[in-house]
Amino acid sequence: GEDVEQSLFLSVREGDSSVINCTYTDSSSTYLYWYKQEPGAGLQLLTYIFSNMDMKQDQRLTVLLNKKDKHLSLRIADTQTGDSAIYFCAESGDQTGANNLFFGTGTRLTVIP
Amino acid sequence: KAGVTQTPRYLIKTRGQQVTLSCSPISGHRSVSWYQQTPGQGLQFLFEYFSETQRNKGNFPGRFSGRQFSNSRSEMNVSTLELGDSALYLCASSPELASFGELFFGEGSRLTVL
Repeated sequence: GEDVEQSLFLSVREGDSSVINCTYTDSSSTYLYWYKQEPGAGLQLLTYIFSNMDMKQDQRLTVLLNKKDKHLSLRIADTQTGDSAIYFCAESGDQTGANNLFFGTGTRLTVIP
Repeated sequence: KAGVTQTPRYLIKTRGQQVTLSCSPISGHRSVSWYQQTPGQGLQFLFEYFSETQRNKGNFPGRFSGRQFSNSRSEMNVSTLELGDSALYLCASSPELASFGELFFGEGSRLTVL
């Protein structure tokens, strides 16, 4: 079955770059996603990447996909205190277009002022 | 546009009881998915409803059930509650069945089972 792994914690200083890593197992996943969860809130889609892409950039966010190694990363440039949250990597599995995503355990990002 | 609304936000039950959670999707969204979030297991998919029909189901026992109404609002029910059912239950809506993971989540219903 699908298995998505992430490290649990990451601390960075304000202004530095953050890199959150994720590994997944289902090579047939069509889309891979990054969601953000702030305290007391639901998840918010940050960005996603189609499986035939290597990189996607969206303002301060850069997503890198290494399909051979099944490795996904999210880079946040100029990290701010407001970026402190839990970041979830997710894959779509082999059901194209299905809304049942497989989430990682989440990485808690702490930004130190 | 109002977001996904879940009620109640917090509730406490005892073992053996049952619970019903409600989710109102974003206006115009027809797909509603439910997820269970726990510290140990993370986020796990429960089921998805579209046009009042269950379209996908996760690996949960039959004690977990749901339904969707004609106005797209959805409810999930857990019967014979166990301590391990304590979790944050998240509802997510999307415009169509195959919305490629663009899920819009509510704030969740936090269930504590004593």
